[in-house]
Amino acid sequence: QITLKESGPTLVKPTQTLTLTCTFSGFSLTTSGLGVGWIRQPPGKALEWLALIYWNDDKRYSPSLKGRLTITKDTSKNQVVLTMTNMDPVDTATYYCAHPMTNNYLGFDYWGQGTLVTVSS
Amino acid sequence: QSVLTQPPSVSGAPGQRVTISCTGSSSNFGAGYDVHWYQQVPGTAPKLLIYGNTNRPSGVPDRFSGSKSGTSASLAITGLQAEDEADYYCQSYDSSLKWVFGRGTKLTVL
Repeated sequence: QITLKESGPTLVKPTQTLTLTCTFSGFSLTTSGLGVGWIRQPPGKALEWLALIYWNDDKRYSPSLKGRLTITKDTSKNQVVLTMTNMDPVDTATYYCAHPMTNNYLGFDYWGQGTLVTVSS
Repeated sequence: QSVLTQPPSVSGAPGQRVTISCTGSSSNFGAGYDVHWYQQVPGTAPKLLIYGNTNRPSGVPDRFSGSKSGTSASLAITGLQAEDEADYYCQSYDSSLKWVFGRGTKLTVL
């Protein structure tokens, strides 16, 4: 059974760097074809894909946020970390990590519960 | 402005059929990328509802069905139930923007 859970600060100040951790179980990022992605959702707004990392350390970033995002993995801990620099109040959102589908389906079949991050001074 | 266009809201009475449209472009649907649909009850994480245009994950009732043709896709829900009231998002891959979502459609069961 695949599960994912996000952790990190609930409140960050403007200009600070956000670090979020996704801890997962039920699969390994040493397995060919697998990955973990991050998606966020501002309150009352739509989902927005942020970044994704694959088993082979291939990393993909949202073009609109690419300069602010870094995604890394720690296979020994079954964790994926997302950092976002220069946080702004507009980055207030629930941040989800999710498991990408396999078999070339470019979507997400398992999601974490999400963690709400508020950006405020 | 989202790459995938959905109506903000749809509604229907219990037992009725509703459809939710999702319009893309030549860089996503038109390039052959699949559409996936998610159901999100407010306050909870999205749940995969339809993948690969027409496929239902295990446990999703067959009242839910999906289709895609050209640069458009749609989600149909038959035999509407109160528990179907939620937000629905379409998602695909775009050759420029990568993973993209629609703005979401709020389904109200009257």
